Amino acid sequence: GENVEQHPSTLSVQEGDSAVIKCTYSDSASNYFPWYKQELGKRPQLIIDIRSNVGEKKDQRIAVTLNKTAKHFSLHITETQPEDSAVYFCAAKLMNSGYSTLTFGKGTMLLVSP
Amino acid sequence: NAGVMQNPRHLVRRRGQEARLRCSPMKGHSHVYWYRQLPEEGLKFMVYLQKENIIDESGMPKERFSAEFPKEGPSILRIQQVVRGDSAAYFCASSPPSNEQYFGPGTRLTVT
Repeated sequence: GENVEQHPSTLSVQEGDSAVIKCTYSDSASNYFPWYKQELGKRPQLIIDIRSNVGEKKDQRIAVTLNKTAKHFSLHITETQPEDSAVYFCAAKLMNSGYSTLTFGKGTMLLVSP
Repeated sequence: NAGVMQNPRHLVRRRGQEARLRCSPMKGHSHVYWYRQLPEEGLKFMVYLQKENIIDESGMPKERFSAEFPKEGPSILRIQQVVRGDSAAYFCASSPPSNEQYFGPGTRLTVT
């Protein structure tokens, strides 16, 4: 099955700095990679996703890059703000397969200090 | 369009009792997934259901746990004879055929 590794487990940055979270996956057939943000005591929320037919996707201050050859993908947050503080989870899935599910990384706790 | 609904939001059970967790998917979503999250840990897949069918239950313990998604009504995750180790947040997610999963607010189960 799929195995997703996520690093670092915790990340502290100053407001305005950039933050990068990296994930690797094991199943080369996986082709859908979402990122979720979970604030304390709340539900995970989908913030961005990427499919394997593209190498990069950007949405305002967040971007995701995918390297299919190396089987890794990364979340980039620029100009971080205190409200970005949360736990971020990456995941991998084989899309359009009725018998596949999301495999999550263990999460990265991001702390943005003002 | 209401989001994924879960109830109850908090559930306290004594050891040995049964816990029933409910999940109503978003309108138009026919796929439901259940995950367990222990404190300061990631999301562990438990079971994936479509209407009236269990598609993948590889993450669910073989004993005491069961799940259903009937033709009418919410999906139910049932835990019989709860133990302290069952204390966790249980999240349900639903998805349309395009596969993006949207999470409910979770049920926080505490076993005393």
